[in-house]
Amino acid sequence: EVQLVQSGAEVKKPGESLRISCKGSGYGFTNYLITWVRQMPGKGLEWMGRIDPSDSSTTYSPSFQGHVTISVDKSITTAYLQWSSLEASDSGLYFCARLFGPQYGSNWIDPWGQGTLVTVSS
Amino acid sequence: QSALTQPASVSGSPGQSITISCTGTSSDVGGHDFVSWYQQHPGKAPKFMIYDVNKRPSGVSDRFSGSKSGNTASLTISGLQGDDEADYYCCSYAIGSTWVFGGGTKLTVL
Repeated sequence: EVQLVQSGAEVKKPGESLRISCKGSGYGFTNYLITWVRQMPGKGLEWMGRIDPSDSSTTYSPSFQGHVTISVDKSITTAYLQWSSLEASDSGLYFCARLFGPQYGSNWIDPWGQGTLVTVSS
Repeated sequence: QSALTQPASVSGSPGQSITISCTGTSSDVGGHDFVSWYQQHPGKAPKFMIYDVNKRPSGVSDRFSGSKSGNTASLTISGLQGDDEADYYCCSYAIGSTWVFGGGTKLTVL
């Protein structure tokens, strides 16, 4: 079964750092991109960025560029989303997902991880 | 990079059909056929429903269909059922090798 399993909920203070993880299994991890998506409480989905596990190349949404870092350790089929200095506005639900990119003539996002809830509060 | 425009809400009675629109620009929706749609029930992860404008992945009911005209993509759900009540999001590949989601549409089955 193809699945992505994310790390558990986090509660942090403003200014703290954080790294959440997303472990893929059941498929060739380096054959697909991994993307991260934010959902703030009661709001819609926001595309944050993506990484190619085969070469660790990244692309970010302009809205998130410079504020988060996406990385990967392909030896353990795990992708990461990290912040060096959290803000209260970073509170939200973060999903990772497998992304099939258009370079192969098709494009879809599936499956999705279960989501990691991040709460940033003083 | 602005979110794609979707109606905030739509509604329909069981058995009826509804259509959700997703409007972008020539830099995203109108520039190619890489538009997909996702269904999200409360407290759940999104579920992949339509890809490449009008293709259905295995296991998705043929009551769900997609189309596109110019800068606007659409999702149509026919024969509405109670379990269709959910939030729906479109997503498009966009300029700069990025992706953009729509703001989401809440479907209410009356």
